[in-house]
Amino acid sequence: DAGVTQSPTHLIKTRGQQVTLRCSPKSGHDTVSWYQQALGQGPQFIFQYYEEEERQRGNFPDRFSGHQFPNYSSELNVNALLLGDSALYLCASSPTGIAEAFFGQGTRLTVV
Amino acid sequence: AQTVTQSQPEMSVQEAETVTLSCTYDTSESNYYLFWYKQPPSRQMILVIRQEAYKQQNATENRFSVNFQKAAKSFSLKISDSQLGDTAMYFCAFMKPPYLYGGATNKLIFGTGTLLAVQP
Repeated sequence: DAGVTQSPTHLIKTRGQQVTLRCSPKSGHDTVSWYQQALGQGPQFIFQYYEEEERQRGNFPDRFSGHQFPNYSSELNVNALLLGDSALYLCASSPTGIAEAFFGQGTRLTVV
Repeated sequence: AQTVTQSQPEMSVQEAETVTLSCTYDTSESNYYLFWYKQPPSRQMILVIRQEAYKQQNATENRFSVNFQKAAKSFSLKISDSQLGDTAMYFCAFMKPPYLYGGATNKLIFGTGTLLAVQP
């Protein structure tokens, strides 16, 4: 079992650009959640996908969008990047109806 | 809205000693789940232990145990026989139960973390 995998591991973008981060959930998990972790802080919930729909959303602007594919993998898109978007982006997957979440190793995004 | 508070930004412990990390939370829910996650320098968030609020018995996983005080809304983590590999950031987190319909798991609400350093 490969666990939750995220790509890429590191990324450097320029202000105003767009970025796409990818996540493959743990085998058998159908729910994918995305979190933003600023340096020295706890992760903050961005949104969650289940059955290819956004089910919950945290306090993030519309510049943050996502998608879930039929194989349960997911993408996080961020448009019009700001310096403040620099953070570790974590993907977590969960099995149906189970209160557990398993995390990937994260994508470190740096906006310059 | 639920909140999670970790009041110890940093802690230090000698190898083989015992250390306790504190966490308090606020919620109006009667049923929920509490977690401790460990985040080493490798960045991956690793589940240490999980507690279901409706279970009175404190959860235990090898050297890790919790003291869950529901009335006081307190959820502390005790690490026994500390090892150098326990050095990491530790996060306390809260989750409401999964939705009754649709089966989607709820979001995690994290505290700000406690940086634990195990000294040789």
